Amino acid sequence: GAVVSQHPSWVICKSGTSVKIECRSLDFQATTMFWYRQFPKQSLMLMATSNEGSKATYEQGVEKDKFLINHASLTLSTLTVTSAHPEDSSFYICSARALAGPYSYEQYFGPGTRLTVT
Amino acid sequence: KNQVEQSPQSLIILEGKNCTLQCNYTVSPFSNLRWYKQDTGRGPVSLTIMTFSENTKSNGRYTATLDADTKQSSLHITASQLSDSASYICVVSAKKSSGDKLTFGTGTRLAVRP
Repeated sequence: GAVVSQHPSWVICKSGTSVKIECRSLDFQATTMFWYRQFPKQSLMLMATSNEGSKATYEQGVEKDKFLINHASLTLSTLTVTSAHPEDSSFYICSARALAGPYSYEQYFGPGTRLTVT
Repeated sequence: KNQVEQSPQSLIILEGKNCTLQCNYTVSPFSNLRWYKQDTGRGPVSLTIMTFSENTKSNGRYTATLDADTKQSSLHITASQLSDSASYICVVSAKKSSGDKLTFGTGTRLAVRP
């Protein structure tokens, strides 16, 4: 149980285009989902926290207009990188947490999405 | 400011040998401490989780210890295997009314050589 998936696992896009990354909780309802970014040889850095049906809360220094987060259902959150630039190339990881049930209060991580902007 | 520091930054050991990774933290109020294994290009996978009252927890060849007084934790890997090559991340949770807030260490990159 407690499986979180991400799609796509890797994506290459041209500079100036937008790319959407999906995060799904497969066997539980995730009231909260988190988006992280990880640069090579560095640890995960929290970008934003999203609660189902509410606007996401962004960490300091993260541009909310550039990284659009939608959490419209209890099993799906999306991160859209708008007008991507090469410096946005990174490994994006989501995690999901339920507030009730056997998976409550634990964050379960997805496998990550490698984004390369050319 | 909540911080988690890990040492060493990287480590190379021979297959079959044991090793110990260290984690020091300044996180308050403390909720729990987790060790994760992250393979290259993959998401973190939980190895152990310990609360304030737990001193040690094992998961197969992985044994984690916690000293809440000195705010130190260690992860001991016994009889290492090539598949243990990965980054090991110490994550400490601070208790918040809205749910725990995680502070990540920078990780220890372990390479196991044949």
